Amino acid sequence: DIVMTQSPLSLSVTPGEPASISCWSSQSLLHSNKNHYVDWYLQKAGQSPQLLIYLGSNRASGVPDRFSGSGSGTDFTLKISRVEAEDVGVYYCMQNLRTPPTFGQGTKVDIK
Amino acid sequence: VQLLQSGGGLVQPGGSLRLSCTASGDTFSTYAMSWVRQAPGKGLEWVSAIRGSDDFTYYADSVKGRFTISRDKSKNTLHLQMNRLRAEDTALYYCAKDFGDPWFGELAYNFDSWGQGTVVTVSS
Repeated sequence: DIVMTQSPLSLSVTPGEPASISCWSSQSLLHSNKNHYVDWYLQKAGQSPQLLIYLGSNRASGVPDRFSGSGSGTDFTLKISRVEAEDVGVYYCMQNLRTPPTFGQGTKVDIK
Repeated sequence: VQLLQSGGGLVQPGGSLRLSCTASGDTFSTYAMSWVRQAPGKGLEWVSAIRGSDDFTYYADSVKGRFTISRDKSKNTLHLQMNRLRAEDTALYYCAKDFGDPWFGELAYNFDSWGQGTVVTVSS
Protein backbone atom coordinates (compact mmCIF):
# COMPACT_ATOMS: atom_id res chain seq x y z
CA ASP A 1 0.00 0.00 0.00
CA ILE A 2 1.10 3.58 -0.62
CA VAL A 3 2.02 5.36 2.61
CA MET A 4 1.08 9.01 3.00
CA THR A 5 2.98 11.16 5.50
CA GLN A 6 1.93 14.65 6.57
CA SER A 7 3.80 17.45 8.28
CA PRO A 8 3.29 19.16 10.59
CA LEU A 9 0.79 17.14 12.64
CA SER A 10 -0.35 20.29 14.39
CA LEU A 11 -0.43 23.91 13.31
CA SER A 12 -1.55 27.05 15.11
CA VAL A 13 -2.21 30.02 12.86
CA THR A 14 -3.06 33.69 13.31
CA PRO A 15 -6.20 34.71 11.39
CA GLY A 16 -5.29 36.39 8.13
CA GLU A 17 -1.92 34.69 7.99
CA PRO A 18 -1.00 31.93 5.51
CA ALA A 19 -0.70 28.26 6.38
CA SER A 20 0.91 25.35 4.61
CA ILE A 21 0.67 21.58 5.06
CA SER A 22 3.01 19.11 3.41
CA CYS A 23 2.26 15.58 2.33
CA TRP A 24 4.67 12.94 1.01
CA SER A 25 3.82 9.65 -0.64
CA SER A 26 5.91 6.49 -0.63
CA GLN A 27 5.43 6.20 -4.40
CA SER A 28 4.96 8.72 -7.18
CA LEU A 29 1.33 9.74 -7.60
CA LEU A 30 1.87 10.85 -11.19
CA HIS A 31 -0.25 8.92 -13.70
CA SER A 32 0.64 8.51 -17.38
CA ASN A 33 -2.23 10.91 -18.11
CA LYS A 34 -0.12 13.63 -16.43
CA ASN A 35 -2.47 13.97 -13.45
CA HIS A 36 -1.40 13.62 -9.85
CA TYR A 37 -3.86 11.53 -7.89
CA VAL A 38 -3.91 13.23 -4.53
CA ASP A 39 -6.91 14.74 -2.76
CA TRP A 40 -7.16 16.97 0.29
CA TYR A 41 -10.00 16.78 2.82
CA LEU A 42 -10.95 18.89 5.81
CA GLN A 43 -12.75 17.38 8.77
CA LYS A 44 -14.21 20.00 11.08
CA ALA A 45 -14.97 19.04 14.66
CA GLY A 46 -17.95 16.71 14.87
CA GLN A 47 -18.47 16.72 11.11
CA SER A 48 -17.88 14.40 8.18
CA PRO A 49 -14.85 15.07 5.98
CA GLN A 50 -15.32 17.43 3.07
CA LEU A 51 -13.40 17.43 -0.19
CA LEU A 52 -11.23 20.49 -0.75
CA ILE A 53 -8.83 19.58 -3.57
CA TYR A 54 -8.75 16.74 -6.11
CA LEU A 55 -6.13 15.77 -8.70
CA GLY A 56 -3.57 17.63 -6.66
CA SER A 57 -4.65 21.16 -7.54
CA ASN A 58 -8.34 21.31 -8.50
CA ARG A 59 -10.64 22.98 -6.00
CA ALA A 60 -13.87 21.12 -5.33
CA SER A 61 -17.18 22.86 -5.87
CA GLY A 62 -17.79 25.66 -3.38
CA VAL A 63 -14.27 25.67 -1.94
CA PRO A 64 -12.93 29.20 -1.42
CA ASP A 65 -10.02 30.25 -3.60
CA ARG A 66 -7.82 30.86 -0.55
CA PHE A 67 -7.24 27.08 -0.66
CA SER A 68 -4.75 25.79 -3.20
CA GLY A 69 -3.01 22.51 -3.85
CA SER A 70 0.30 21.95 -5.57
CA GLY A 71 3.12 19.48 -5.91
CA SER A 72 4.39 16.69 -8.07
CA GLY A 73 5.74 13.17 -7.88
CA THR A 74 5.77 12.34 -4.20
CA ASP A 75 5.67 15.82 -2.62
CA PHE A 76 2.47 17.80 -2.25
CA THR A 77 1.33 20.91 -0.44
CA LEU A 78 -1.95 22.43 0.65
CA LYS A 79 -1.82 26.17 1.17
CA ILE A 80 -4.32 28.52 2.77
CA SER A 81 -3.49 32.04 1.68
CA ARG A 82 -5.26 33.76 4.59
CA VAL A 83 -6.58 31.55 7.37
CA GLU A 84 -10.07 32.25 8.65
CA ALA A 85 -11.66 31.01 11.87
CA GLU A 86 -13.88 28.59 9.92
CA ASP A 87 -10.79 26.79 8.56
CA VAL A 88 -10.02 25.06 11.87
CA GLY A 89 -10.12 21.30 11.81
CA VAL A 90 -8.05 18.33 10.70
CA TYR A 91 -6.69 18.24 7.16
CA TYR A 92 -5.97 14.94 5.42
CA CYS A 93 -4.19 14.20 2.18
CA MET A 94 -5.21 11.01 0.40
CA GLN A 95 -3.80 9.16 -2.59
CA ASN A 96 -6.27 7.69 -5.05
CA LEU A 97 -3.86 6.44 -7.67
CA ARG A 98 -3.92 2.86 -6.37
CA THR A 99 -6.38 0.68 -4.49
CA PRO A 100 -6.57 0.87 -1.52
CA PRO A 101 -6.77 4.64 -1.27
CA THR A 102 -4.71 5.72 1.73
CA PHE A 103 -4.79 8.80 3.94
CA GLY A 104 -2.14 10.78 5.75
CA GLN A 105 -2.24 10.94 9.55
CA GLY A 106 -3.96 14.30 9.50
CA THR A 107 -2.84 17.82 10.42
CA LYS A 108 -4.79 19.62 13.12
CA VAL A 109 -5.12 23.34 12.43
CA ASP A 110 -6.30 25.74 15.09
CA ILE A 111 -6.37 29.49 15.59
CA LYS A 112 -3.92 31.32 17.83
CA VAL B 1 -26.92 14.10 -3.15
CA GLN B 2 -27.67 13.60 0.54
CA LEU B 3 -26.52 10.43 2.28
CA LEU B 4 -28.37 9.27 5.41
CA GLN B 5 -26.83 6.48 7.41
CA SER B 6 -28.44 4.00 9.79
CA GLY B 7 -27.47 0.88 11.68
CA GLY B 8 -24.47 0.50 13.94
CA GLY B 9 -24.38 0.11 17.68
CA LEU B 10 -22.76 -2.11 20.29
CA VAL B 11 -21.91 -5.72 19.46
CA GLN B 12 -19.81 -8.40 21.10
CA PRO B 13 -16.61 -9.65 19.47
CA GLY B 14 -17.48 -12.23 16.85
CA GLY B 15 -20.89 -10.70 16.28
CA SER B 16 -22.47 -9.09 13.22
CA LEU B 17 -23.94 -5.73 12.25
CA ARG B 18 -25.32 -4.19 9.09
CA LEU B 19 -24.88 -0.56 8.17
CA SER B 20 -27.06 1.23 5.65
CA CYS B 21 -26.67 4.43 3.66
CA THR B 22 -29.62 5.84 1.72
CA ALA B 23 -29.14 8.44 -0.99
CA SER B 24 -31.69 11.13 -1.67
CA GLY B 25 -31.75 13.98 -4.11
CA ASP B 26 -30.23 11.89 -6.87
CA THR B 27 -30.05 8.23 -7.82
CA PHE B 28 -26.70 6.73 -7.11
CA SER B 29 -26.97 3.72 -9.37
CA THR B 30 -24.29 5.10 -11.69
CA TYR B 31 -21.87 6.10 -8.94
CA ALA B 32 -19.29 4.07 -7.12
CA MET B 33 -19.70 4.20 -3.35
CA SER B 34 -17.29 3.55 -0.52
CA TRP B 35 -17.21 3.03 3.22
CA VAL B 36 -14.53 4.86 5.20
CA ARG B 37 -14.01 4.46 8.94
CA GLN B 38 -12.37 6.41 11.73
CA ALA B 39 -11.29 4.70 14.94
CA PRO B 40 -11.68 6.80 18.10
CA GLY B 41 -9.15 9.64 18.04
CA LYS B 42 -7.57 8.30 14.86
CA GLY B 43 -7.40 9.15 11.17
CA LEU B 44 -9.39 7.96 8.19
CA GLU B 45 -9.22 4.43 6.78
CA TRP B 46 -10.89 3.27 3.57
CA VAL B 47 -12.81 0.04 4.08
CA SER B 48 -14.65 -1.00 0.93
CA ALA B 49 -16.03 0.17 -2.41
CA ILE B 50 -18.62 -0.96 -4.93
CA ARG B 51 -18.95 0.12 -8.56
CA GLY B 52 -22.31 1.32 -9.81
CA SER B 53 -22.15 -0.17 -13.30
CA ASP B 54 -21.46 -3.79 -12.40
CA ASP B 55 -21.44 -3.99 -8.58
CA PHE B 56 -17.81 -5.09 -8.58
CA THR B 57 -16.49 -4.85 -5.04
CA TYR B 58 -13.19 -3.96 -3.37
CA TYR B 59 -12.05 -4.43 0.22
CA ALA B 60 -9.26 -3.40 2.53
CA ASP B 61 -7.15 -6.37 3.61
CA SER B 62 -8.20 -5.73 7.22
CA VAL B 63 -11.86 -6.56 6.46
CA LYS B 64 -11.63 -8.92 3.49
CA GLY B 65 -13.59 -12.10 4.09
CA ARG B 66 -15.54 -10.57 6.99
CA PHE B 67 -17.31 -7.54 5.49
CA THR B 68 -19.58 -7.46 2.46
CA ILE B 69 -20.58 -4.31 0.61
CA SER B 70 -23.75 -4.31 -1.48
CA ARG B 71 -26.35 -1.96 -2.88
CA ASP B 72 -30.08 -2.05 -3.49
CA LYS B 73 -30.58 0.23 -6.48
CA SER B 74 -34.36 0.07 -6.21
CA LYS B 75 -34.07 1.70 -2.78
CA ASN B 76 -31.00 3.87 -3.46
CA THR B 77 -29.38 2.17 -0.50
CA LEU B 78 -25.84 1.01 0.19
CA HIS B 79 -25.13 -1.66 2.80
CA LEU B 80 -22.13 -2.92 4.72
CA GLN B 81 -22.62 -6.32 6.31
CA MET B 82 -20.01 -6.78 9.00
CA ASN B 83 -19.41 -10.29 10.35
CA ARG B 84 -16.88 -11.75 12.81
CA LEU B 85 -16.38 -8.31 14.28
CA ARG B 86 -13.26 -7.53 16.27
CA ALA B 87 -12.42 -4.88 18.84
CA GLU B 88 -10.26 -3.14 16.23
CA ASP B 89 -13.34 -2.62 14.03
CA THR B 90 -14.64 -0.14 16.59
CA ALA B 91 -14.99 3.12 14.68
CA LEU B 92 -17.21 5.78 13.21
CA TYR B 93 -18.20 4.52 9.77
CA TYR B 94 -18.95 6.87 6.89
CA CYS B 95 -20.44 6.14 3.50
CA ALA B 96 -19.11 8.30 0.69
CA LYS B 97 -20.10 8.95 -2.91
CA ASP B 98 -17.42 8.89 -5.61
CA PHE B 99 -17.72 11.44 -8.41
CA GLY B 100 -15.33 9.50 -10.57
CA ASP B 101 -12.59 10.57 -12.95
CA PRO B 102 -12.38 10.86 -16.76
CA TRP B 103 -9.55 8.29 -16.84
CA PHE B 104 -10.51 5.84 -14.10
CA GLY B 105 -14.23 6.09 -14.71
CA GLU B 106 -16.70 5.75 -11.88
CA LEU B 107 -14.25 4.31 -9.30
CA ALA B 108 -11.73 7.04 -8.57
CA TYR B 109 -12.09 7.48 -4.80
CA ASN B 110 -12.96 11.17 -5.19
CA PHE B 111 -15.45 11.54 -2.34
CA ASP B 112 -17.67 14.58 -2.83
CA SER B 113 -20.55 13.57 -0.53
CA TRP B 114 -20.37 11.87 2.85
CA GLY B 115 -22.93 10.44 5.21
CA GLN B 116 -23.20 11.73 8.75
CA GLY B 117 -21.42 8.70 10.17
CA THR B 118 -22.58 5.84 12.37
CA VAL B 119 -20.79 4.42 15.39
CA VAL B 120 -19.85 0.77 15.66
CA THR B 121 -18.55 -0.43 19.02
CA VAL B 122 -17.22 -3.97 19.37
CA SER B 123 -16.85 -4.88 23.03
CA SER B 124 -17.81 -7.57 25.50
